[in-house]
Amino acid sequence: GGIITQTPKFLIGQEGQKLTLKCQQNFNHDTMYWYRQDSGKGLRLIYYSITENDLQKGDLSEGYDASREKKSSFSLTVTSAQKNEMAVFLCASSIWTGGNNQAPLFGEGTRLSVL
Amino acid sequence: GDQVEQSPSALSLHEGTDSALRCNFTTTMRSVQWFRQNSRGSLISLFYLASGTKENGRLKSAFDSKERRYSTLHIRDAQLEDSGTYFCAAPNQGGSAKLIFGEGTKLTVSS
Repeated sequence: GGIITQTPKFLIGQEGQKLTLKCQQNFNHDTMYWYRQDSGKGLRLIYYSITENDLQKGDLSEGYDASREKKSSFSLTVTSAQKNEMAVFLCASSIWTGGNNQAPLFGEGTRLSVL
Repeated sequence: GDQVEQSPSALSLHEGTDSALRCNFTTTMRSVQWFRQNSRGSLISLFYLASGTKENGRLKSAFDSKERRYSTLHIRDAQLEDSGTYFCAAPNQGGSAKLIFGEGTKLTVSS
């Protein structure tokens, strides 16, 4: 079976630091996503990509960069970590079929803490 | 912008009871998805509906096919393992790749 792997699982950064989160999927899915989840809140879309080398902004793209290096991987960069920031970053992927993206599958998340 | 509103925000149930979670949209949506997030943070897809109802074991979801602004998730005979946070999500008007999530319903099932 397929799997979505996010690395690292836990990330501790310093204020102002540039941090990179990685996501790999072996489902051969077309679309990949990065979401941010703050404690007790819903998910907010940061970036998504519908194919290799494609990049589309979500609602929360400011302060982040992303890169879809190949179909199976999608990385997210926090360009300058904010002090006391704490959030979980969730990667997801979905297949495009019938003119729609099907239900996304999610990774286990990367938990970010900024000192 | 498009909004997804979930209610209640928190729900406590005793084992064996039934209940329903609700999801309202401020605009017409093409489809709705329901997810459960466990205590470790893993998000599992429960249902994907473009219309009508779907059932899986003790869970049943419905999407109002007429107005397309309302969805429910029914839990029958609640069990301890049903505890978690339930999210509904819908694609925004700009494109089906962008899913907008509600704030979630935190469900606690106790014995």
